[in-house]
Amino acid sequence: AQSVSQHNHHVILSEAASLELGCNYSYGGTVNLFWYVQYPGQHLQLLLKYFSGDPLVKGIKGFEAEFIKSKFSFNLRKPSVQWSDTAEYFCAVNAQGADGLTFGKGTHLIIQP
Amino acid sequence: NAGVTQTPKFQVLKTGQSMTLQCAQDMNHEYMSWYRQDPGMGLRLIHYSVGAGITDQGEVPNGYNVSRSTTEDFPLRLLSAAPSQTSVYFCASSLTGTGGNEKLFFGSGTQLSVL
Repeated sequence: AQSVSQHNHHVILSEAASLELGCNYSYGGTVNLFWYVQYPGQHLQLLLKYFSGDPLVKGIKGFEAEFIKSKFSFNLRKPSVQWSDTAEYFCAVNAQGADGLTFGKGTHLIIQP
Repeated sequence: NAGVTQTPKFQVLKTGQSMTLQCAQDMNHEYMSWYRQDPGMGLRLIHYSVGAGITDQGEVPNGYNVSRSTTEDFPLRLLSAAPSQTSVYFCASSLTGTGGNEKLFFGSGTQLSVL
């Protein structure tokens, strides 16, 4: 069974700092990759996804992620964070043909104004 | 559209009690699922359904039952609540697929405490 590891459980940054959240998965076959975000008091929502093609994918609100197959990684990046990016971020993986998603434990991101 | 609606938002149960968490979606989605979220554990799949009349187990199905009599509704039943079922429960749906190859739409969650 696949597993997902998010390296940082809590991250605190100042506004305008650059962000990179790590995500590694353990599955040797073809995968679908996702980042979901949960803003305070809101539903989980999709930030971006990768199924195939260009390994650099762009999502909403200026986020992007790069799929590096050789490193089994799908790190999330944003060049300049805002206070409104304060949220919980979840990396999730689906092994193609399997049912459902395997989520990482989440990263709680706090942006200080 | 209301999207994915979960009720109740909060619930406190005593050990051994039973209850049903409701989930409804108005997007005509075929796929529906239930996840639980525990501190430091991420979300784990409990049960899912790829269409009316079809359900299957996820990663952590023990102690829970589901049914899918209509496309819109996917209730989750706790048969005899235990403290280990204290968690936040999320319902999620997608238009088609198996929950891993499409965007999932999530409900707002049900925070359940079992004493």
